[in-house]
Amino acid sequence: AQTVTQSQPEMSVQEAETVTLSCTYDTSESDYYLFWYKQPPSRQMILVIRQEAYKQQNATENRFSVNFQKAAKSFSLKISDSQLGDAAMYFCAYRSADLGNDMRFGAGTRLTVKP
Amino acid sequence: NAGVTQTPKFQVLKTGQSMTLQCAQDMNHNSMYWYRQDPGMGLRLIYYSASEGTTDKGEVPNGYNVSRLNKREFSLRLESAAPSQTSVYFCASSWTGAYTFGSGTRLTVV
Repeated sequence: AQTVTQSQPEMSVQEAETVTLSCTYDTSESDYYLFWYKQPPSRQMILVIRQEAYKQQNATENRFSVNFQKAAKSFSLKISDSQLGDAAMYFCAYRSADLGNDMRFGAGTRLTVKP
Repeated sequence: NAGVTQTPKFQVLKTGQSMTLQCAQDMNHNSMYWYRQDPGMGLRLIYYSASEGTTDKGEVPNGYNVSRLNKREFSLRLESAAPSQTSVYFCASSWTGAYTFGSGTRLTVV
């Protein structure tokens, strides 16, 4: 079974600085998707970024980018120019390309942004 | 706005009471899911429905039942609530890859 590990329960960053959240996963599959979701205090789960495993290029969405290392099974999220609104829980998630399978989540990292 | 609508947003139950959480999506997605979120454990799958007319157990199905009423609606029922079912519940749907989530239900069983 696929597992997702987020080793940092909490992280903090100064406003305008850069922070990297770590995620590793375990799978024997070669084709899959990886995601980062943000959960602010409102509780809503918001998709931040996605990466298809067959793509070598790292995904980027504005201030958010990933470092996808397929061989190492690592998928970190970098937030540049951090803003107060980035404060939230961040979940890393894995989903097999066989879409009959569900999504597996890490335990989450709580990010605090200091003004 | 298109998306996943989940009701209620908050609920308090007494031990042994029953209730149904409702979920509906208007994106014509085939697959729908129910997860529970507990501190330090991320989201864990309770049940899912890959298509209308099918349902399957996830990681933590005990104490729950589901109904895929039609393509739009997927409900989660607690027949006899227990304090261990105190949690935040999320419904989600998907077509390819990413999920779209409902806003969640905070359920407290006392």
